[in-house]
Amino acid sequence: DAGVTQSPTHLIKTRGQQVTLRCSPKSGHDTVSWYQQALGQGPQFIFQYYEEEERQRGNFPDRFSGHQFPNYSSELNVNALLLGDSALYLCASSLARGPINTIYFGEGSWLTVV
Amino acid sequence: DQQVKQNSPSLSVQEGRISILNCDYTNSMFDYFLWYKKYPAEGPTFLISISSIKDKNEDGRFTVFLNKSAKHLSLHIVPSQPGDSAVYFCAASARRKSSGDKLTFGTGTRLAVRP
Repeated sequence: DAGVTQSPTHLIKTRGQQVTLRCSPKSGHDTVSWYQQALGQGPQFIFQYYEEEERQRGNFPDRFSGHQFPNYSSELNVNALLLGDSALYLCASSLARGPINTIYFGEGSWLTVV
Repeated sequence: DQQVKQNSPSLSVQEGRISILNCDYTNSMFDYFLWYKKYPAEGPTFLISISSIKDKNEDGRFTVFLNKSAKHLSLHIVPSQPGDSAVYFCAASARRKSSGDKLTFGTGTRLAVRP
């Protein structure tokens, strides 16, 4: 049973460019959340998708957008990249109204903006 | 506004002794608390959780204590093993039926268990 898979693992982008990160949730999970973890910080909630709609959003600008597909996989898009967007981006999958101890994280996508 | 705080960035403990990791929170709406463990190049993995209606939850070598009046929780690892060396994150959630679980994390404590 595959867990949460994310791609790409590492990528380098130039300031001003756009990036798309991808996530496949754990089998049976229908909810995907995205977190940003800057160096030396804890993960920060970006947004959550359920039934192909954004259900909750953290304190991130509109440059951060996402999508959920019918197969529950998800994408995170960041436009007009800034140096400060350099971070580990984590995807978490869960089951809506499931036990809170069944939130699973992927290994993350390391984004470096130069 | 840091709603979940882990004030100790690092902790070093001798193998076999107890490790105590602390976490404070400010939002009284939080009703679930979790501890995650993170190795380098891996995502966080769930360790143990506690509901706000309890004051203690135990799972093997790991015990989480919650003091609601002080808005403080702690994770005890007994006995500590070298494989426990990792970064530990405290996280909290205010669960609502109308929305999913949004976790608010602390900044983490790096635990080093010396052989």
